[in-house]
Amino acid sequence: GAGVSQSPSNKVTEKGKDVELRCDPISGHTALYWYRQSLGQGLEFLIYFQGNSAPDKSGLPSDRFSAERTGGSVSTLTIQRTQQEDSAVYLCASSSRFPTEAFFGQGTRLTVV
Amino acid sequence: AQSVTQLDSQVPVFEEAPVELRCNYSSSVSVYLFWYVQYPNQGLQLLLKYLSGSTLVKGINGFEAEFNKSQTSFHLRKPSVHISDTAEYFCAVMLRGGSEKLVFGKGTKLTVNP
Repeated sequence: GAGVSQSPSNKVTEKGKDVELRCDPISGHTALYWYRQSLGQGLEFLIYFQGNSAPDKSGLPSDRFSAERTGGSVSTLTIQRTQQEDSAVYLCASSSRFPTEAFFGQGTRLTVV
Repeated sequence: AQSVTQLDSQVPVFEEAPVELRCNYSSSVSVYLFWYVQYPNQGLQLLLKYLSGSTLVKGINGFEAEFNKSQTSFHLRKPSVHISDTAEYFCAVMLRGGSEKLVFGKGTKLTVNP
């Protein structure tokens, strides 16, 4: 596709349920980022993938959060046993070999009730 | 590890006035610097970036930023703002030669009033 695609655009889930958020990066982009955007908190780095290198997971807030990237393309962010504080917009971005521009998707708005 | 501080969470200005949005970073090594903009109900897009060379960089929509290594700053400026510049602006930093992790500040919400 022409841009970074994220699905679903909105997700409402009950506390304690698991959720999966999907990101389709721009074709050919080797780098992929996940961020969490909460009101007043800016963009919180979660995880970064680059090609076949081990991902930088230093931003994952707890072991309930995990992400994988299959075949160097599509990525899935999984949140287990969701909590109300997980409510936020989850943004995905991709870029070609750095330090070029990172292109962002429209995000997934997660609401935990 | 690198970090970014945007001192002003909100900046209100009148149309046609000049504006400066402040950004300071912390890093023990050289960095690349970026400004992104998020218009209401839209995704983030790159405004400008500093990679090397001239410390004054120009971006889209008349914005510019100046890299100051001694003050570890990368402030964003525009001499005359428009209503359409109302948006949230994010400063970001990436380490040179290290992890390509892109770290953002908390953002500055610019509101341009008529």
